[in-house]
Amino acid sequence: DTGVSQDPRHKITKRGQNVTFRCDPISEHNRLYWYRQTLGQGPEFLTYFQNEAQLEKSRLLSDRFSAERPKGSFSTLEIQRTEQGDSAMYLCASSRRISGYTDTQYFGPGTRLTVL
Amino acid sequence: GESVGLHLPTLSVQEGDNSIINCAYSNSASDYFIWYKQESGKGPQFIIDIRSNMDKRQGQRVTVLLNKTVKHLSLQIAATQPGDSAVYFCADLNDMRFGAGTRLTVKP
Repeated sequence: DTGVSQDPRHKITKRGQNVTFRCDPISEHNRLYWYRQTLGQGPEFLTYFQNEAQLEKSRLLSDRFSAERPKGSFSTLEIQRTEQGDSAMYLCASSRRISGYTDTQYFGPGTRLTVL
Repeated sequence: GESVGLHLPTLSVQEGDNSIINCAYSNSASDYFIWYKQESGKGPQFIIDIRSNMDKRQGQRVTVLLNKTVKHLSLQIAATQPGDSAVYFCADLNDMRFGAGTRLTVKP
């Protein structure tokens, strides 16, 4: 399968713990996006990368959220000091940047986070 | 601020009927929209896209219509099947904003 992959698929943690999620994009895609989706809502954009550069992070939910893509391939999303309100599905998407056009994003299966 | 929204939260149709799901957007500068399908516990799946230089685009059993004058787009599914049951989202890819979704239920 050459689609976007995410790991883990499910994560249960206690309030106050740190969690990290990984996303592997489609191999030829140079852009990678993170979204959060709560029950009954559409995905909410958090941040995105082009190669290793983080081009937009103003919509990260708080300074407890951070993301990295150090080598321009896989990315990690970290949530520090988790709160119960962080319980959600965290989605990753990737796209291939074509100059002059807005990209088509393809999503992974998501990581379901439950904070107890 | 700008937003993307859907008119109806749920839609129930009979198998074989056509389905129409609507979406309104606010950013008149947006030029690229995608419809995604999301099944329970899975990530959104690309269905069809449309750019602002088009009014209509057709895929296999699906058609997207874009009306830039009233900032509205719709997804039409022909001969709806039980496997079409899911939540459908429209997305403004310029703003990276999604609507809340419409749950489509297909009755056999």
